[in-house]
Amino acid sequence: SQKIEQNSEALNIQEGKTATLTCNYTNYSPAYLQWYRQDPGRGPVFLLLIRENEKEKRKERLKVTFDTTLKQSLFHITASQPADSATYLCAPQRGSYIPTFGRGTSLIVHP
Amino acid sequence: SQTIHQWPATLVQPVGSPLSLECTVEGTSNPNLYWYRQAAGRGLQLLFYSVGIGQISSEVPQNLSASRPQDRQFILSSKKLLLSDSGFYLCAWGGQHEKLFFGSGTQLSVL
Repeated sequence: SQKIEQNSEALNIQEGKTATLTCNYTNYSPAYLQWYRQDPGRGPVFLLLIRENEKEKRKERLKVTFDTTLKQSLFHITASQPADSATYLCAPQRGSYIPTFGRGTSLIVHP
Repeated sequence: SQTIHQWPATLVQPVGSPLSLECTVEGTSNPNLYWYRQAAGRGLQLLFYSVGIGQISSEVPQNLSASRPQDRQFILSSKKLLLSDSGFYLCAWGGQHEKLFFGSGTQLSVL
């Protein structure tokens, strides 16, 4: 099974800075990798999906990179805002299989 | 557009009591449906998934069962709850590339 590592410690940054979250996986190379946002007491919300043949994906202030050599995905939020404070989950996925979720990293953006 | 409904939002049950959580999806047909559990400080654990009516796959052997009596209805049940069944239960349906769309969740406390 896939082992997924996301920083367990919360990431604290100042408003306006770029937040960078890391997702490392150890076993099979996923065909896709998804990122979700989860607010306290709510279900995760899908943000972005990146394919193994894509190096980078962008959506508004969000950017995801995927390095299959390093077995790592980075998730960036530029010009961060306090409203971006949440837990972010990565989910590598092999082919048509169900994605496997990491434990997530808590992001706290200070005004 | 597609929507997913999950209820109740919170539930407090005594040990040994039965459980029934219901999830319904609107706006799509023959969706893949999922039940996840998220214990405090833990990641999302896949419990059951279903690719069609009456088709249930169990990922983790435990005190719970699932049923899919209708195309867009997914039910999580237990005959006798254990303390260890406490957690945040999430229903989800799978879109293209298994992007998951989650319900609002049920916080279950077994006392």
